[in-house]
Amino acid sequence: GAGVSQSPSNKVTEKGKDVELRCDPISGHTALYWYRQSLGQGLEFLIYFQGNSAPDKSGLPSDRFSAERTGGSVSTLTIQRTQQEDSAVYLCASSSTRNTEAFFGQGTRLTVV
Amino acid sequence: LAKTTQPISMDSYEGQEVNITCSHNNIATNDYITWYQQFPSQGPRFIIQGYKTKVTNEVASLFIPADRKSSTLSLPRVSLSDTAVYYCLVGPRNQAGTALIFGKGTTLSVSS
Repeated sequence: GAGVSQSPSNKVTEKGKDVELRCDPISGHTALYWYRQSLGQGLEFLIYFQGNSAPDKSGLPSDRFSAERTGGSVSTLTIQRTQQEDSAVYLCASSSTRNTEAFFGQGTRLTVV
Repeated sequence: LAKTTQPISMDSYEGQEVNITCSHNNIATNDYITWYQQFPSQGPRFIIQGYKTKVTNEVASLFIPADRKSSTLSLPRVSLSDTAVYYCLVGPRNQAGTALIFGKGTTLSVSS
């Protein structure tokens, strides 16, 4: 596609349920990033992929959070047993290794009720 | 990655030039300086990137002094639509395995 695509755009879930957030990066981009942004706050780094491997998982807030990337393309961020503090906008970005210009998706707004 | 420091917020009026300075005292030899812009309810958008001296594009100019310990993003004749958060990032450009870490950014408010 022309840009980074994230789905769903909005997700409302009940506390304790699992959710999966999807990111389709720009074709050919080997680097993929996940961030979380709470209302009025900055971007919190979650995880970074280079190809299918994740050299940096340091930002994942707890073991309820996991992410994978398959085929060097699509990535899924999974949050298990969601809590209200997980409510935020989850942003995905991709870039080529030649240039650190990252292109962001529109995000998934997650609301845990 | 080099740590960056920027003002939390700035105010301006339409038509004025706005300069946002970012400090990065521990910048490494192979680090580039990149600025992103984020509007409410949108993901950040790349504005400009530079290594030294001056870089200019259709959106902004980036001034980097010889010691590279700081940089200044210059927005000429801002309009209301330039109200956004501006992030300064410092890191290597052509290195795989590098996460992009955003700081708190500078919230620019432009008034009429």
